[in-house]
Amino acid sequence: GQQVMQIPQYQHVQEGEDFTTYCNSSTTLSNIQWYKQRPGGHPVFLIQLVKSGEVKKQKRLTFQFGEAKKNSSLHITATQTTDVGTYFCAVPFSGGYNKLIFGAGTRLAVHP
Amino acid sequence: DAGVTQSPTHLIKTRGQQVTLRCSPKSGHDTVSWYQQALGQGPQFIFQYYEEEERQRGNFPDRFSGHQFPNYSSELNVNALLLGDSALYLCASSRLAGGATDTQYFGPGTRLTVL
Repeated sequence: GQQVMQIPQYQHVQEGEDFTTYCNSSTTLSNIQWYKQRPGGHPVFLIQLVKSGEVKKQKRLTFQFGEAKKNSSLHITATQTTDVGTYFCAVPFSGGYNKLIFGAGTRLAVHP
Repeated sequence: DAGVTQSPTHLIKTRGQQVTLRCSPKSGHDTVSWYQQALGQGPQFIFQYYEEEERQRGNFPDRFSGHQFPNYSSELNVNALLLGDSALYLCASSRLAGGATDTQYFGPGTRLTVL
């Protein structure tokens, strides 16, 4: 079935260090979405990327969509303790219906 | 404007029992999707409801069933509970008119523990 691979599984950083998580798909994607889930919380939508090579920024977060639309990354500059949580990429099911296929997530721990 | 709401917040059941979880979508949304999130994993799609009908289903057994009401709210029913059904159950709402890429808004989830 359709899958999306996300790495790394865990990342521990010191506050102020940068962080990057990557998502890879074997198939070309129409779009990719990123969600953040705080410990004990639920996934919260961050952004959607649609165009090949697209780069979007939200304050210290930079999202990229690969030229071939098969991979994406989320980069956080100068992490803060508020960045703690699990970051998921999600891609639409190729058969439509707005069904999302989630990556396994990258859990970010930030040490002050 | 209320977001997606789910009830109950937490639930403890024993093996073999049945459970019903409820979801009210965000205002203006007509499509409800249910996801199961096991500990340490990403959400897994269970099924989606639109116009009171199941439109799409993931790889879940028939023990998992659902319903959508005329007001767009939805229920998820799980029969003959197994220990492996312990998970966070998430409801997500969206607008069909928004197309296959419309943003899905997740509710806070129901934490189900099966003993």
